[in-house]
Amino acid sequence: GNSVTQMEGPVTLSEEAFLTINCTYTATGYPSLFWYVQYPGEGLQLLLKATKADDKGSNKGFEATYRKETTSFHLEKGSVQVSDSAVYFCALRDGGATNKLIFGTGTLLAVQP
Amino acid sequence: GAVVSQHPSWVICKSGTSVKIECRSLDFQATTMFWYRQFPKQSLMLMATSNEGSKATYEQGVEKDKFLINHASLTLSTLTVTSAHPEDSSFYICSAREQGAQAHIYGYTFGSGTRLTVV
Repeated sequence: GNSVTQMEGPVTLSEEAFLTINCTYTATGYPSLFWYVQYPGEGLQLLLKATKADDKGSNKGFEATYRKETTSFHLEKGSVQVSDSAVYFCALRDGGATNKLIFGTGTLLAVQP
Repeated sequence: GAVVSQHPSWVICKSGTSVKIECRSLDFQATTMFWYRQFPKQSLMLMATSNEGSKATYEQGVEKDKFLINHASLTLSTLTVTSAHPEDSSFYICSAREQGAQAHIYGYTFGSGTRLTVV
């Protein structure tokens, strides 16, 4: 079945450092891909998405490119801030009848001042 | 954008009692709602998918008699944890999918979660 593999955390960075969180997927066809962010004690918020190969999703300085050849959707940000500290989830939309989201295990990012 | 309201945000209950969690889509109609359980160290487990007016589809290993899901209208779904026990303590999150064309724009909107503690 479809699945998402996400790099394990926690990832600890200093403010203004470059961020990469790796995400790869296994799926039939070309699913839509998402990054969600979860701040402490809250639900998930959509950060960005891409619906087809070579699409680049971007939001709040974060970017991810849908790479079909490597089945990847890595999240990047050039300069992180303390306020970016959160858990980041990579997900794909399963193509079945329910169109449910399949999540990676999440990566905790801690940014230190 | 789309908003999903989830209540309560936290609840403490005694072992053996039942707890109901509500999930409402505030400004859109949600044909499909998903219920997740989040375990320590973040991982999200999809428990069930509910469609308005029909029975929920439960994921393998989820007890449907313990986790009752009702999706009586296009804006409301409820999860009832029946005869709760300490091992049911967790963070429960709902998600709603918009009807029709809007699904491609907003996709899935998540509630803010409910922290359940069973003592």
